[in-house]
Formats: sequence, C-alpha cells, structure tokens
Amino acid sequence: NAGVTQTPKFQVLKTGQSMTLQCAQDMNHNSMYWYRQDPGMGLRLIYYSASEGTTDKGEVPNGYNVSRLNKREFSLRLESAAPSQTSVYFCASSESGQGRQYFGPGTRLTVL
Amino acid sequence: KNEVEQSPQNLTAQEGEFITINCSYSVGISALHWLQQHPGGGIVSLFMLSSGKKKHGRLIATINIQEKHSSLHITASHPRDSAVYICALTSGTYKYIFGTGTRLKVLA
Repeated sequence: NAGVTQTPKFQVLKTGQSMTLQCAQDMNHNSMYWYRQDPGMGLRLIYYSASEGTTDKGEVPNGYNVSRLNKREFSLRLESAAPSQTSVYFCASSESGQGRQYFGPGTRLTVL
Repeated sequence: KNEVEQSPQNLTAQEGEFITINCSYSVGISALHWLQQHPGGGIVSLFMLSSGKKKHGRLIATINIQEKHSSLHITASHPRDSAVYICALTSGTYKYIFGTGTRLKVLA
C-alpha cells in the first residue's frame, strides 16, 4: 500500500498562475483533508471532505477550491496564485472523521 | 485561551534521557492524537487515545480524561527522536484541533 500520495513534491509558480495539487489514498478511507503549514506555524485546515461527494471549508479556504473526484482522490486548486500561498501543503485521510489521520509527504509550493 | 496547550514548546535532552511532553485541553473530546513531524517534513500518527495508556516501542502515551491531560513519554531517548511532536484532538467534528507542537532535540 502506498498510503497517501501527493503530486507534485515541489512547485514554483508566478503570481496569477493556476495549478492543481493532487492527492490520492489507497486505504479506502472516507474522509480526506487539505492542510497548509507555514514556517513556525502549525497545520491549518483549508478544506475537508467527510465522505465522497461532500466538501466543506476549513479555517483558511480563501483562494482555494477542491474536488473530491471519487473516494480515492481529493484535489486542491489554486486559481490565481498569490505569494501569500507560499507554503507546504499536506493531504491527509482517515477512515472516519474521528479517526487517525494518515498524511501524505507534502508539496512545497513557492509563489513568486 | 487555546483549546489545546502543549508544554514545553522546546526541549533539548541528552541521549538516553527520559522525556515527557504534556498536552492539556479544555473541550470534550472523542479522541486525542499524538503526531510526529521530522525535520524532513513528513507527519506520522503515533497514537490515538480515548482512555488509559498505549505503548509502542520506546514511546508511551497516557491520557487522563477527568483532568483533560495527556502525556507523551520517550524512554532512552535517541537523536533520531528529534522532531516536532504535536497533540491533536477530535471533538465531535471531522476536524483535528491542533496544539502548537513541542520541538524536541536529542543530543548525542
């Protein structure tokens, strides 16, 4: 089992460019999450999907959109990247909302 | 006041020392989680607790529901234990409530 995979690992964008971060899990988990982690700060929830077909905003959703494509995949889209979105992005999944979360390796994004 | 407080924020220990990291919280919980984030960035779930005590190798996690307090202990610490340790709660929603983390450095 690969667990939670994320692509790409690194990305550099110019202000105003768009991109999609991909996340997939092979554990048949119902819930999936997108977090960002800024230097010296903790993890902040951007969006989550409690189950296939549902998505909800977290603490810091502005500037992002998500798609729960199917049970395995949960993508995060930046429509018009801004330097404030420079961060490390983590995807996670859990069997249920109350359960242990399994994290992907992260995507390091720089917006110039 | 934050719902989850961790202490200490930073901790430096000598190899072989017994280490304790504390987590106090102020809300009702369904479970408490301990996570480890290594300098390379990866995040690993160490424990999920709703009562009592769990042990995995040199790591022990305890929780006292009445006192709203959990501890993570590392016995015979080693430089490879150097990481940020994060306490997180699940509390009736689909979201973690994160503590601010404890940065541990174990010196050889």
